[in-house]
Amino acid sequence: AQSVAQPEDQVNVAEGNPLTVKCTYSVSGNPYLFWYVQYPNRGLQFLLKYITGDNLVKGSYGFEAEFNKSQTSFHLKKPSALVSDSALYFCAVRERAGNTGKLIFGQGTTLQVKP
Amino acid sequence: SAVISQKPSRDICQRGTSLTIQCQVDSQVTMMFWYRQQPGQSLTLIATANQGSEATYESGFVIDKFPISRPNLTFSTLTVSNMSPEDSSIYLCSVDVWGGSYNEQFFGPGTRLTVL
Repeated sequence: AQSVAQPEDQVNVAEGNPLTVKCTYSVSGNPYLFWYVQYPNRGLQFLLKYITGDNLVKGSYGFEAEFNKSQTSFHLKKPSALVSDSALYFCAVRERAGNTGKLIFGQGTTLQVKP
Repeated sequence: SAVISQKPSRDICQRGTSLTIQCQVDSQVTMMFWYRQQPGQSLTLIATANQGSEATYESGFVIDKFPISRPNLTFSTLTVSNMSPEDSSIYLCSVDVWGGSYNEQFFGPGTRLTVL
């Protein structure tokens, strides 16, 4: 069965420091991988995706993520965190086969960036 | 991309009543999805709603509890029936949009439901 794991409930970083939010996945075949962000009282906003090609993908707001097939990971990164990055981040996976459209989400990681 | 609106944005309801949530998209889409996000939890897919066919429900979700309508390619409704406090959640609508090489999924702002 497909699954996504975000091992950290919360990540705390100081503003200006690099940040990493971890994600590992389990899915048959090659997946589509995504990161979404949810600000308080707002819907989900798409950050970035990995479909194929370069393992390092760049997305919105300066975020990037590295696809590592051997480690089945897709960690979210940003070189310099901002206080405004504080939010709830979800990793998600979608199987290529069947194109059902179904997304499987991780449990979410709260990012807290302190001034 | 797709712009998705949901109504209501939030509601407080009494136990035993039902609430219908509307989802409107600014373009025609084939696949629409309804997710639930319980307090402090991740998103869980309730059902997939394709126009012209009955909704497909995920394990743990049934049509009697969460009836869905999909009358056309831009609109869907989800009803939460006979509500209990355990149904207090954010309900999100999402759609698949063809991005040229891949289907991208966009989400509505969500409906925050509190059941007393």
